[in-house]
Amino acid sequence: GAVVSQHPSWVICKSGTSVKIECRSLDFQATTMFWYRQFPKQSLMLMATSNEGSKATYEQGVEKDKFLINHASLTLSTLTVTSAHPEDSSFYICSVTGETDTQYFGPGTRLTVL
Amino acid sequence: AQRVTQPEKLLSVFKGAPVELKCNYSYSGSPELFWYVQYSRQRLQLLLRHISRESIKGFTADLNKGETSFHLKKPFAQEEDSAMYYCALRQTGANNLFFGTGTRLTVIP
Repeated sequence: GAVVSQHPSWVICKSGTSVKIECRSLDFQATTMFWYRQFPKQSLMLMATSNEGSKATYEQGVEKDKFLINHASLTLSTLTVTSAHPEDSSFYICSVTGETDTQYFGPGTRLTVL
Repeated sequence: AQRVTQPEKLLSVFKGAPVELKCNYSYSGSPELFWYVQYSRQRLQLLLRHISRESIKGFTADLNKGETSFHLKKPFAQEEDSAMYYCALRQTGANNLFFGTGTRLTVIP
């Protein structure tokens, strides 16, 4: 299967700053990438779906201006949390699919906003 | 709207005992169901999917459309099965997955 990495694995930032999280597909042409958010003891919630070279599709209730997604290449997608606030503290996980529809998950990024 | 329910947050069984992790779903169409597993300090990974009708690591799951269930079963639990298990649903023609809240399985030696 695909190897998916995320960077950073853990980030702490001050309220009001922006944070960028990278998702890389190391050995796989990821035509579609997904971003999930997972609050403690809760399930993964899909935030958005992005296809390479096109705008991301956001799920209902997810602010596109706050969570900026860029899927610039077949191996990289970034999620930028703009003007982060403590309620944005969560575990952010990306996944990728390619020619098959199997989703391969990254290890996740823990964001803590002070 | 679709929904995936895993009624048990925690499940403990003794080694060698049978285990069943429950998953129920609601979806008006014809869904595709998956089980994902997350071992300690590892990422989420696919365990099995209903269309494959295969057994992975001794686990099986049968889609019961009448009961809208996709329970995960294993006849003899092993210690290495201890993990977090998520049931997930994909709508017809869609790419994205909807996850249940997960069940943490602990196999007691």
